[in-house]
Amino acid sequence: EIQLQESGPGLVKPSQSLSLTCSVTGYTITSGYDWSWIRKFPGNKMEWMGYISYSGSTNYNPSLKSRISITRDTSKNQFFLQLNSVTTEDTATYYCARSRGSPGAYWGQGVMVTVSS
Amino acid sequence: DIQMTQSPPSLSASLGDKVTITCQTSQNINKYIAWYQQKPGKAPRLLIGFTSRLVSGIPSRFSGSGSGRDYSFSISNVESEDIASYYCLQYDNSPYTFGAGTKLELK
Repeated sequence: EIQLQESGPGLVKPSQSLSLTCSVTGYTITSGYDWSWIRKFPGNKMEWMGYISYSGSTNYNPSLKSRISITRDTSKNQFFLQLNSVTTEDTATYYCARSRGSPGAYWGQGVMVTVSS
Repeated sequence: DIQMTQSPPSLSASLGDKVTITCQTSQNINKYIAWYQQKPGKAPRLLIGFTSRLVSGIPSRFSGSGSGRDYSFSISNVESEDIASYYCLQYDNSPYTFGAGTKLELK
């Protein structure tokens, strides 16, 4: 069974970096698909943030391009989100998902991150 | 970025009703639209991809249609387990963009 699980701090201070991990079991992230990050804001707006492909290429939302980095550790079958210089507007629930074009059938349960001093 | 105009923002239905949600896009997305259901505290669940392709295991009361810039998603015979929020997503052009969501409630 394919499972994705996000982990990381639930509270980040403004101007610092947000770092999240998505651990994948049941499928090897280098075998195929894109591995995405999506977030949902408190007002229920959803935003596609970007992905890292099975080959290691990345595609980011230009609205985040100067602040976002998605990387991976293939030995651990994990991929990561780093978002720099966060503000309170980055407070959201962050999801990782397996994607082929659209995020598909496999998502993590989500992790709520609050940006606050 | 492609803008997604999803309507209505909320919908009130009785059990057994048919409901329809629409998404209009700011440009042709060549049918690359997906529909998701989300319940409180849960991850979004993919219901339909590429306009009308029902995901395996999803009940046939869910359906999608459309082309060009205009797309719709319907639930026939609404059941209590369908009470949730629904989102459209275009994945024709990066950055992929979501609609604002529709909250389905019981009348």
